[in-house]
Amino acid sequence: DTGVSQNPRHKITKRGQNVTFRCDPISEHNRLYWYRQTLGQGPEFLTYFQNEAQLEKSRLLSDRFSAERPKGSFSTLEIQRTEQGDSAMYLCASSSRAGGYTFGSGTRLTVV
Amino acid sequence: AQTVTQSQPEMSVQEAETVTLSCTYDTSENNYYLFWYKQPPSRQMILVIRQEAYKQQNATENRFSVNFQKAAKSFSLKISDSQLGDTAMYFCATAHTGTASKLTFGTGTRLQVTL
Repeated sequence: DTGVSQNPRHKITKRGQNVTFRCDPISEHNRLYWYRQTLGQGPEFLTYFQNEAQLEKSRLLSDRFSAERPKGSFSTLEIQRTEQGDSAMYLCASSSRAGGYTFGSGTRLTVV
Repeated sequence: AQTVTQSQPEMSVQEAETVTLSCTYDTSENNYYLFWYKQPPSRQMILVIRQEAYKQQNATENRFSVNFQKAAKSFSLKISDSQLGDTAMYFCATAHTGTASKLTFGTGTRLQVTL
């Protein structure tokens, strides 16, 4: 068990560019969550997958954001036409049951 | 909808002393979990302690314990014998026990342990 892995650790991009982040959950975990954390705030829920199905999306997830989890394994979060307000830490977590979450180290996005 | 409130943005404690971090929450769920997470500068969110709302007994985990007051919707964290390594952001969070069970976090308390 190598934990939840997120790549890249840091991403700096110019406004208007597209970015994609990857999350590799713990292999036996069927639930996967994406959160966004801005400076000085707690993480906010973005979206949830159970296996390959995206079952819930937050209103924070605008139409510029898309997430996938093909084959119920790793997940990607893509942001199109990035804006400065997208600068944040993007956290991934996985679990096999309610109440037991393992977090990755996050991807810090800076939009310049 | 669930909300979590942490009213102490920053706390400081001397090494070996005891400190209590406050948390109140609101939920319409009958069955839920409450959590305290630690986020050090390395930024990985680490579970400190978890409480299942149906359990009356307060959870303990070595030097960490909670005071869970269900009627008051209060869930404070007590850290005994504070260590320098306890310096971090601490987040209180809740999640219902249903299928999605996403976490709702508070805004955090920055704890500094000093010599």
